[in-house]
Amino acid sequence: DADVTQTPRNRITKTGKRIMLECSQTKGHDRMYWYRQDPGLGLRLIYYSFDVKDINKGEISDGYSVSRQAQAKFSLSLESAIPNQTALYFCATSDHDRGLYNEQFFGPGTRLTVL
Amino acid sequence: TQLLEQSPQFLSIQEGENLTVYCNSSSVFSSLQWYRQEPGEGPVLLVTVVTGGEVKKLKRLTFQFGDARKDSSLHITAAQPGDTGLYLCAVNTGGFKTIFGAGTRLFVKA
Repeated sequence: DADVTQTPRNRITKTGKRIMLECSQTKGHDRMYWYRQDPGLGLRLIYYSFDVKDINKGEISDGYSVSRQAQAKFSLSLESAIPNQTALYFCATSDHDRGLYNEQFFGPGTRLTVL
Repeated sequence: TQLLEQSPQFLSIQEGENLTVYCNSSSVFSSLQWYRQEPGEGPVLLVTVVTGGEVKKLKRLTFQFGDARKDSSLHITAAQPGDTGLYLCAVNTGGFKTIFGAGTRLFVKA
């Protein structure tokens, strides 16, 4: 079974709709991240969390919110989706014992299309 | 301007050829990572290099960290179609955030 899972894998929605992307992990890592990937721009950090009570903005947090419901679960919400939020979204985890390197372990991604 | 510049952006080669891709920056880093992302999947960590001048090998892949710890290269010997994917370099910028380059997209033709 995959260590980091994301649901849904694909989603098509309309402008203005609220949408939630979910991430679960069985790696036992305390750190979790949400990235979006766009062609030519690489991976950009949206939000990250080092613990259940810890939420931090990344470089592109506007239009997004997150919830860390448990150590193993981290969800990303788009309150009112817009077309330029069409992208690949990835959840990732890292182990604080490897904190110096912050190596990332990714889920399979969610392809989101906003019409 | 991106913190990490990867080159080339795209590379298409025949099976059996050798290739090198690069990750460059004007900043010094304590470590650098390489990931490979296959179509429809998330990136997978290949290696972390830590020491200036360090060379690590993973089967046909050779990773080198520059002496000044500002750049890195990935060399693939005798490329195979299974090497096809997006190769990303990444660094920890402190505060436990990882920054990624835009990647080199490699296509190996059989």
